[in-house]
Amino acid sequence: AQSVSQHNHHVILSEAASLELGCNYSYGGTVNLFWYVQYPGQHLQLLLKYFSGDPLVKGIKGFEAEFIKSKFSFNLRKPSVQWSDTAEYFCAVGPGGYNKLIFGAGTRLAVHP
Amino acid sequence: DGGITQSPKYLFRKEGQNVTLSCEQNLNHDAMYWYRQDPGQGLRLIYYSQIVNDFQKGDIAEGYSVSREKKESFPLTVTSAQKNPTAFYLCASYEGYYGYTFGSGTRLTVV
Repeated sequence: AQSVSQHNHHVILSEAASLELGCNYSYGGTVNLFWYVQYPGQHLQLLLKYFSGDPLVKGIKGFEAEFIKSKFSFNLRKPSVQWSDTAEYFCAVGPGGYNKLIFGAGTRLAVHP
Repeated sequence: DGGITQSPKYLFRKEGQNVTLSCEQNLNHDAMYWYRQDPGQGLRLIYYSQIVNDFQKGDIAEGYSVSREKKESFPLTVTSAQKNPTAFYLCASYEGYYGYTFGSGTRLTVV
């Protein structure tokens, strides 16, 4: 069965620290990869997506992610986090086409000033 | 502005009642989805529809039902057969390159 694993359930960082959130998936075919963010009290927003091409994807708010096909990974990174990055982050994988999006369990990030 | 409207924002259900959550989109997207969000479990797919008058079960369809009579609308009914319905419910639509758009959700509580 297809699945998405997010290795860290809770991450606590100080402002200006670097961030890397792990995401691994199990699916052998072509996939579309996404990172979504849910700020407290708000709905899910797309941070970035990968469909094809350059495996290093840049998203909004300084986030980026790297698709490593051999490792079935799509890790999210940010060089320097801010207090406003406090949120829950979800990795999601969609087999090509209209097929359903499979989400990881999410990572709660708390950034302390 | 185009988007997805979910209503109500909060919903309370008594034991044994059926309740219907509304999801409307004006994005002209063909595909629509219902997800359930529980703490520590991410989002799990309940039902999805790729076209009007057609829908498929997701991973946790038991105790739920849907309809897709119009392209814009994809209501979800939580039936009395759903044993643990308290959760946050998210509706989404999908279109090619732009990916998925999510609504703001409905929080259902059983009282």
